[in-house]
Amino acid sequence: QKEVEQNSGPLSVPEGAIASLNCTYSDRGSQSFFWYRQYSGKSPELIMFIYSNGDKEDGRFTAQLNKASQYVSLLIRDSQPSDSATYLCAVNQAGTALIFGKGTTLSVSS
Amino acid sequence: DAGVIQSPRHEVTEMGQEVTLRCKPISGHNSLFWYRQTMMRGLELLIYFNNNVPIDDSGMPEDRFSAKMPNASFSTLKIQPSEPRDSAVYFCASSHGTGSGALHFGNGTRLTVT
Repeated sequence: QKEVEQNSGPLSVPEGAIASLNCTYSDRGSQSFFWYRQYSGKSPELIMFIYSNGDKEDGRFTAQLNKASQYVSLLIRDSQPSDSATYLCAVNQAGTALIFGKGTTLSVSS
Repeated sequence: DAGVIQSPRHEVTEMGQEVTLRCKPISGHNSLFWYRQTMMRGLELLIYFNNNVPIDDSGMPEDRFSAKMPNASFSTLKIQPSEPRDSAVYFCASSHGTGSGALHFGNGTRLTVT
């Protein structure tokens, strides 16, 4: 059974702080890693993806991957109230569908 | 681009009734996915199609669930008979290729079975 694990939260951070979201996965064959954001009552939307070990930065977002530890993280710098949402980690192998974690709820207070 | 279009947005039905959910993927996308989301189980993959062919339906809960994709622009998910435990939000998503993780989700159908 392929699993993707995330702390459900809520993770609460003050505005301007760094939010750190974590994810572990069970399938060592996983090749691609994704972070989706889902606002309450809305559908998930892709915000980041990473394929190689190390860091990948996109604006205020940084995705980090450590395949040896089967660990993926998402850092959000200068957190804003508009970042308050549920963040879903997802993984897949080549040619297979995404398997999602249950998500971590982030709350950014102003 | 209109995005992935799902209908209906909301469906309330009684136990035992047949429910049909519909999805129109983004034009040009050749992979289509059906996911179900609940608080308890999160976002679960039910089935996905590549070039209109079902590739993996291992996530379909039981024989009460069936999905079809008769052409590149339309898919249905049918539940017959429906049960209260089927209550969830059902999302359809499409992408270029199965291995692409860049899924475009529809707005979802919120199903309530009483």
